[in-house]
Amino acid sequence: GENVEQHPSTLSVQEGDSAVIKCTYSDSASNYFPWYKQELGKGPQLIIDIRSNVGEKKDQRIAVTLNKTAKHFSLHITETQPEDSAVYFCAASIFGGKLIFGQGTELSVKP
Amino acid sequence: DAGITQSPRHKVTETGTPVTLRCHQTENHRYMYWYRQDPGHGLRLIHYSYGVKDTDKGEVSDGYSVSRSKTEDFLLTLESATSSQTSVYFCAISLSPARGAFSDEQFFGPGTRLTVL
Repeated sequence: GENVEQHPSTLSVQEGDSAVIKCTYSDSASNYFPWYKQELGKGPQLIIDIRSNVGEKKDQRIAVTLNKTAKHFSLHITETQPEDSAVYFCAASIFGGKLIFGQGTELSVKP
Repeated sequence: DAGITQSPRHKVTETGTPVTLRCHQTENHRYMYWYRQDPGHGLRLIHYSYGVKDTDKGEVSDGYSVSRSKTEDFLLTLESATSSQTSVYFCAISLSPARGAFSDEQFFGPGTRLTVL
């Protein structure tokens, strides 16, 4: 079955710097790749997603890139702010909604 | 938050006791999911449902059962709780209206923290 690996597990950046989180997946049939942000004590919140027919997607300060050949996708956050501090999860699925999640990255943005 | 509530929000129970967690949604979506979240494992799918009385297993279904007798409620039951089931449990829905197209996006509830002593 599908396996998703996420790196790094922790990431610390200065406010205003960029942050990049990377994920690799194993099943070439996966075609949907969402990213979630989870704040302490809350449920995961969908922040951006990408489908396999697209190589890049951007929404204000966040962007996601997908390399189907290499089976990896990345989250890019530019101009980081303290409120970006949270745990971020990547996931992958084949159509039908059974998401397989990465292990999570704890992002800390220092003012 | 897609109108998702979970109850209880916190529960402490003893090994061997039955436990039922409830997920309630207000928008009549067909697809609902139960995940557990543990340190170092991200979120793992336990069971999911694609309609009333239609359920299927996820990747970590052993020790859990589910029921969906009406669209708005999806129940997760631990028949005999064990310490390994101490976790945070999240319910999610996919945008899947009764007469509309299925959408991949999943939206999560606030979670239930379960401790099994």
